Amino acid sequence: AQKVTQAQTEISVVEKEDVTLDCVYETRDTTYYLFWYKQPPSGELVFLIRRNSFDEQNEISGRYSWNFQKSTSSFNFTITASQVVDSAVYFCALSESGGYNKLIFGAGTRLAVHP
Amino acid sequence: EPEVTQTPSHQVTQMGQEVILRCVPISNHLYFYWYRQILGQKVEFLVSFYNNEISEKSEIFDDQFSVERPDGSNFTLKIRSTKLEDSAMYFCASRDSSNSPLHFGNGTRLTVT
Repeated sequence: AQKVTQAQTEISVVEKEDVTLDCVYETRDTTYYLFWYKQPPSGELVFLIRRNSFDEQNEISGRYSWNFQKSTSSFNFTITASQVVDSAVYFCALSESGGYNKLIFGAGTRLAVHP
Repeated sequence: EPEVTQTPSHQVTQMGQEVILRCVPISNHLYFYWYRQILGQKVEFLVSFYNNEISEKSEIFDDQFSVERPDGSNFTLKIRSTKLEDSAMYFCASRDSSNSPLHFGNGTRLTVT
């Protein structure tokens, strides 16, 4: 069975601090996909990144970076020099290959960035 | 950029009433989903739909729920007899292939009184 754990329920930082959001997943599949979504206070779900299980290269996009480690089943998300606009709930999600590939979401981490 | 649209943005209904939540997925997408999020909680899978039929459903998606793609553009979620615990944000999502990212609509907030 697939499962996503985001152990940090809430994180509070001051602007310009770096912050890392943890995500640990469980799956029996060898082929799977990992995602991060952002849910700002307005409520919509915004796609940030997708990673497949064969690509362990870390990715950087501006102030965002992702660290995928299969050995620890983790897919962590770091925001460098956080800004108030980064305040949101961040969800990590897992999709197994084959079938119709529903996304299973973690419980989310609420990030509050204070000026 | 094309987007998934959901209407209405907020629906208030009385317990026991039927509601239909509407979604227009992105036009070239083939896979459609409904998720719900009870306030402050995680996003939960309800149902996936492909090739004009349900491909998978969760335990939440009981006989009170149904989905339909009545024409080439709309994708609806019907709750036959709403309960208080159905109050949640309902998200529609679509994707063009089986492992591409899900594109979510802005959600319909359903309040059952």
